[in-house]
Amino acid sequence: GNSVTQMEGPVTLSEEAFLTINCTYTATGYPSLFWYVQYPGEGLQLLLKATKADDKGSNKGFEATYRKETTSFHLEKGSVQVSDSAVYFCALEGDTGNQFYFGTGTSLTVIP
Amino acid sequence: NAGVMQNPRHLVRRRGQEARLRCSPMKGHSHVYWYRQLPEEGLKFMVYLQKENIIDESGMPKERFSAEFPKEGPSILRIQQVVRGDSAAYFCASSPRIFRVSPGELFFGEGSRLTVL
Repeated sequence: GNSVTQMEGPVTLSEEAFLTINCTYTATGYPSLFWYVQYPGEGLQLLLKATKADDKGSNKGFEATYRKETTSFHLEKGSVQVSDSAVYFCALEGDTGNQFYFGTGTSLTVIP
Repeated sequence: NAGVMQNPRHLVRRRGQEARLRCSPMKGHSHVYWYRQLPEEGLKFMVYLQKENIIDESGMPKERFSAEFPKEGPSILRIQQVVRGDSAAYFCASSPRIFRVSPGELFFGEGSRLTVL
């Protein structure tokens, strides 16, 4: 079946620190992979996506590379800001196209 | 260009009452998904609908929960005889996509937070 596992939080970093949030997946076929971000009191917003192996998604300084050999899609940012404080969700679109499978979310707090 | 609109944002119900949550997808979107987010948990898929059709309801509890997306008007998630365990944030998302024509992107509403007393 399809599932997503992401590192547990919460994660607390100082401003300008390097961020990695791990995400691994289990899927049949060739899923598309996503990172969504949820700011306090809001719905989820797409942060970045990758649709095939070795694709790199990037947005707002965040990057993630679709690694089929390790079934991973880790989120990275070289220098986080206070405004990056949010909950980050890794997700995959299942092969049937009907369902999106989400991880449990990782809460990030960036302190000045 | 309005986004996905959910209402109410907050709903309080007593045990045994009914809860109705509404979702208006983005203009031009004909696919609607409902998700439930429990504290300390991720998003759990509930149901996927197109206009007048339930495509996949494999995530819906067998009893008390129902969803519809009529030809006119918003999608509605209905919970009958609510219990405390139904307290959660319910998110609606919409998509314009046709399966396998374009990789999916879901556009989320801000959620409806249900509290059952």
